[in-house]
Amino acid sequence: NAGVTQTPKFRVLKTGQSMTLLCAQDMNHEYMYWYRQDPGMGLRLIHYSVGEGTTAKGEVPDGYNVSRLKKQNFLLGLESAAPSQTSVYFCASSPGLRGNYGYTFGSGTRLTVV
Amino acid sequence: QQQVKQSPQSLIVQKGGISIINCAYENTAFDYFPWYQQFPGKGPALLIAIRPDVSEKKEGRFTISFNKSAKQFSLHIMDSQPGDSATYFCAASMGGGTSYGKLTFGQGTILTVHP
Repeated sequence: NAGVTQTPKFRVLKTGQSMTLLCAQDMNHEYMYWYRQDPGMGLRLIHYSVGEGTTAKGEVPDGYNVSRLKKQNFLLGLESAAPSQTSVYFCASSPGLRGNYGYTFGSGTRLTVV
Repeated sequence: QQQVKQSPQSLIVQKGGISIINCAYENTAFDYFPWYQQFPGKGPALLIAIRPDVSEKKEGRFTISFNKSAKQFSLHIMDSQPGDSATYFCAASMGGGTSYGKLTFGQGTILTVHP
């Protein structure tokens, strides 16, 4: 049982390049989230999805896009990478059931934009 | 009003000591307060969580104390061990409904337990 799998684990981009981060979960969870983690700032929500075909903006959505075409996958895209997007990105999922809000996180993608 | 403030930023304790991490929140609509533990190179993992209808929850060496009137909650790690060395995050959520379980995280505390 893999849980939440993120690919790639590491990536270096040049300013202006684009890329897609993939998150896959095998727990049949309804809700999925993308967070970024920066030193001293905790984890900040970028975008989230409450079901297949739905997405919504979080706290820091600018410069990112997302898609959830299949329930098990949640993609995070950077159309034109900027150095300010250098961060560690975490995907998480939760069952979406009332009273059960525990997140399962992936192991993260460390992105450097130069 | 969505903020969760966590302190201290870093904490060093001796093996066998008590580690205490504090969090404060502003939004009284929060109704779920988890703590996450993160080891280097790994994603955060749920450690323990509490709801505001109880003032304390204990799981093994880990205890959450909750003060609803002060809008504060804290994590106590008893008999701290070197294996507890990690980054700890508090978080808060308004649970279901239109908040969809979104968690607001504190800034994190780096705990180091010396042998």
